[in-house]
Amino acid sequence: GDSVTQTEGLVTVTEGLPVKLNCTYQTTYLTIAFFWYVQYLNEAPQVLLKSSTDNKRTEHQGFHATLHKSSSSFHLQKSSAQLSDSALYYCALRDGSSGNKLIFGIGTLLSVKP
Amino acid sequence: EAAVTQSPRNKVAVTGGKVTLSCNQTNNHNNMYWYRQDTGHGLRLIHYSYGAGSTEKGDIPDGYKASRPSQENFSLILELATPSQTSVYFCASGDADWGGAYEQYFGPGTRLTVL
Repeated sequence: GDSVTQTEGLVTVTEGLPVKLNCTYQTTYLTIAFFWYVQYLNEAPQVLLKSSTDNKRTEHQGFHATLHKSSSSFHLQKSSAQLSDSALYYCALRDGSSGNKLIFGIGTLLSVKP
Repeated sequence: EAAVTQSPRNKVAVTGGKVTLSCNQTNNHNNMYWYRQDTGHGLRLIHYSYGAGSTEKGDIPDGYKASRPSQENFSLILELATPSQTSVYFCASGDADWGGAYEQYFGPGTRLTVL
């Protein structure tokens, strides 16, 4: 079935260094939209980025992601990690099979160390 | 600003007891969702609704019922709570935007402990 894969459960990075969180997906349906959600400690998940256009870079709050349908990927990147970026990040997609639902990955915990 | 609220925020229940988690949204969204969040499993969909009067099973509906009496309110009901249902529960609402993306807005969560 359709799925979203986040390969790293935990990513640890030093403040000021670049960070990349991986997200790949598998679907046989028309893909409609992709999301990155961020969840800070004891808060609700909220949308960080969303995209539906192949090969177009989307940016928000210093993070960026580019949807690559050729490689079924929507990786999240930032050039310089900040302590405040420490959070749980979810990748999610909506495609032709999910209706009005989103298919979520299991999440990647980002820990930024001084 | 769009808002999803949940009550209670924390709940301790006994095994075999009935638990009702409530969710209210002022977004005027047609769709509402209930998830549970557990380490190693991420967000898992329990039940969802297309509108008042409708409920649909999600990926893990066993042991849960849902009720959508109005556009604004969506409840999750545990008729016979078990310790395995100890978790953090999130409610969300959403509708399609111009691009067809169903962005979901989440409530603050309810931490449920079943003893």
